[in-house]
Amino acid sequence: ETGVTQSPTHLIKTRGQQVTLRCSSQSGHNTVSWYQQALGQGPQFIFQYYREEENGRGNFPPRFSGLQFPNYSSELNVNALELDDSALYLCASSSGFPAYEQYFGPGTRLTVT
Amino acid sequence: AQKITQTQPGMFVQEKEAVTLDCTYDTSDPSYGLFWYKQPSSGEMIFLIYQGSYDQQNATEGRYSLNFQKARKSANLVISASQLGDSAMYFCAMREGRAAGNKLTFGGGTRVLVKP
Repeated sequence: ETGVTQSPTHLIKTRGQQVTLRCSSQSGHNTVSWYQQALGQGPQFIFQYYREEENGRGNFPPRFSGLQFPNYSSELNVNALELDDSALYLCASSSGFPAYEQYFGPGTRLTVT
Repeated sequence: AQKITQTQPGMFVQEKEAVTLDCTYDTSDPSYGLFWYKQPSSGEMIFLIYQGSYDQQNATEGRYSLNFQKARKSANLVISASQLGDSAMYFCAMREGRAAGNKLTFGGGTRVLVKP
């Protein structure tokens, strides 16, 4: 049990809509990273937050945005959904920046139709 | 160029036997870390083992060991005494330098199926 939780577990949205995914970090962790994992592929880094500030971003367009709250939980927002956004979205929390070990949540499966 | 390459899309292994999963990496940063994660069908990524670029010895964690060959830029995972519960996807990942923070670059993964 890693302690990282994500909600919702599954989500179905229509192209053009907006979605918010949530991640609750493990207790004591101040860093959150988000990854997108398309079916049959390895995860791809979206961005990371350290102490409520974005600190590093992967090759994703601005319609992917995020927040980290004072309790270090986090949100991933995706606007103007596209069919290719269908994927498993994983968040990972850690203590420190950089950290040796990151704990991943179970993911949110997003399907865009 | 691919940063992390896993050339084995899938493997079968007999229960109780050892299996080696290949991983090669590409970086010009002298400071980096290499990770292996297990992803069961539930989706959660489970950390298995870590090797730092300056570590002199190969990392070991229980039944997992990492065969680190720096000159060849390879970081193969060895699972000894395979168990049915080892059936899963396995991902090799790299973190490049301190500036990357916690950003990991993952390979495409290897699916392992343990046969009884």
